[in-house]
This record gives sequence, C-alpha cells and structure tokens, in this order.
Amino acid sequence: GAVVSQHPSWVICKSGTSVKIECRSLDFQATTMFWYRQFPKQSLMLMATSNEGSKATYEQGVEKDKFLINHASLTLSTLTVTSAHPEDSSFYICSARATGLTNYEQYFGPGTRLTVT
Amino acid sequence: DAKTTQPTSMDCAEGRAANLPCNHSTISGNEYVYWYRQIHSQGPQYIIHGLKNNETNEMASLIITEDRKSSTLILPHATLRDTAVYYCIVRVGGATNKLIFGTGTLLAVQP
Repeated sequence: GAVVSQHPSWVICKSGTSVKIECRSLDFQATTMFWYRQFPKQSLMLMATSNEGSKATYEQGVEKDKFLINHASLTLSTLTVTSAHPEDSSFYICSARATGLTNYEQYFGPGTRLTVT
Repeated sequence: DAKTTQPTSMDCAEGRAANLPCNHSTISGNEYVYWYRQIHSQGPQYIIHGLKNNETNEMASLIITEDRKSSTLILPHATLRDTAVYYCIVRVGGATNKLIFGTGTLLAVQP
C-alpha cells in the first residue's frame, strides 16, 4: 500500500515554456502533499506544502508565482514551473501524508527529472 | 525541529550489519526520529521511526539512546541493493510535520 506516482518521470522543455508535474496518491487519500527539489549531489530541499482545497505554503526563498501548486483533490497535487529557465533544471519529488493515520508517515513519489534547454 | 549530524559516508561489507549513527543532541521530548533512504535517482523510502523505545521492522532496527541524543539505524544483513543515502530526521509528530532533509550518509555496500 501507500503508493505515490508522479507524471511525467522526465521532461525536457525549452526555456520560457511552462511544465506541469502531477503527483498522485494511488491507494490512499492525502490531505497534505509536499514538493521537493533536488539538485545533483545535493539533498532534498522542501519547496512547499500543499493542502487539499487551500493555498500552498511556500518555504522561504521559493517563488510562489514561478512554482504554481494546485491540490484540487485528496489524491492529486500539481506543480507547474512557469517560464522555465535552465537553472530550474532539477529533480522534483513529491510526497504525500495519508489522512487519518497517527504516525504521519510520508510516502514519496519516484521523482520527475526536468531539463530546461 | 532539532538538527541532526551524520557521517558523510560509510562502507559496509555485503552480508554484514550496517550501523549508521545519528546525533540529535538538541532533540525535544515530543520529537520523533525518522530514517529514510534514497537510492540514486529515486524518491526517498521510509525505513523506520521511533520516539524513545527501540524499534524493529522488516527492514531495520532503530536504537535510540536513553537520553535520546543519538540513535543508530541497523541494517542486519546489508546487500548491494542497500547502497543509498540514508537520512536521519528529527521532527515533531502531528499535522504540521514537514520533513527537512540534511545531508545524510552515503552507505556503500561492498561485495
């Protein structure tokens, strides 16, 4: 149980375009989802916390107008990288916290590798 | 959330136990110790967590010292597939529980 999927697994886009990444909890409902970014040989950096039906909470230094997050249902959150630039090339990972569990484990997706040319 | 300190890297022979230490000297009474691992180019995988008692599951054991200022993750019989970066994270349990990743320990299991 507790599977999180991401789509696409990798994407290449041109500078200036926008890219949408989907994060789905497949076998559980997730009130809260998290978005992380990871550059090569670095640790995961939390970008934002996404709560179903409300606005996302962004970490300090993350541009909310550039990284648009939507969490419209209990099983889907999307991250849209707007006007992408080469420096946005990174590994984007989402995680989901199951509703109703007491141990508050987070389950991670497999990640999406974004390359901006 | 309390800060954690882990060695940058460790080696372990295949079939042997891998013991990964973590210091969290500023941990508060209501903070849990979580361990995750990340195999190259994949999302992190939950391993185990605990508050003050030692814990064991099918993947690993977690030993927390009595003063809770440090812990050790034990992989009883390491395999090549256990090569990964292991993250020790301390956080409060509850609804606002973000996971903040440190630099972790790169465990290299050698044949």
